[in-house]
Amino acid sequence: GAVVSQHPSRVICKSGTSVKIECRSLDFQATTMFWYRQFPKKSLMLMATSNEGSKATYEQGVEKDKFLINHASLTLSTLTVTSAHPEDSSFYICSAVGSGDEQYFGPGTRLTVT
Amino acid sequence: AQTVTQSQPEMSVQEAETVTLSCTYDTSESNYYLFWYKQPPSRQMILVIRQEAYKQQNATENRFSVNFQKAAKSFSLKISDSQLGDTAMYFCAFMKNTGTASKLTFGTGTRLQVTL
Repeated sequence: GAVVSQHPSRVICKSGTSVKIECRSLDFQATTMFWYRQFPKKSLMLMATSNEGSKATYEQGVEKDKFLINHASLTLSTLTVTSAHPEDSSFYICSAVGSGDEQYFGPGTRLTVT
Repeated sequence: AQTVTQSQPEMSVQEAETVTLSCTYDTSESNYYLFWYKQPPSRQMILVIRQEAYKQQNATENRFSVNFQKAAKSFSLKISDSQLGDTAMYFCAFMKNTGTASKLTFGTGTRLQVTL
């Protein structure tokens, strides 16, 4: 089946630093990947749509200069949280779209900013 | 814009019993998909069931079935013969059918606890 990985699974960083999260489709190519954010005991909120070879499309209210997305290949999208602050602490989940339109989700990355 | 509403923050069911989780949505689209996802404590999102809006027949997957009422914009999930492993957060989700990848809009979730 379609497998999506995320790395790292957990990361702790200091306020003001940047952290990169990788999302990989392991056994299929994904021209489109989505990045979601989930607060504790809350739903998933779409942050941006990542398309291979083009600029990401950000949802309203998401700062594109703070959450940098790069979809450099058909199997890899990265989310970089720049100048992280404690309020950026959250669970970040990616999904990748296979040959149809079904989204396959990664296991998520827990970011803690101290 | 689409909205998805899950009015039951928490539900509890005894093992082997049946439980129904509610979901309503609002959209002006005529062609779309609806989904139920399960998020266990591991946080991995797992697709439970999917319904195409143009199909009148309700989708079923083993112990999971839906009651899709398009006119009422209602999409409930029935879990039969509940098992301890069904304990999880359940999210209802909406996606426009654009022919290509499209974003999911999630409800707020229902936490289901299956008890002995």
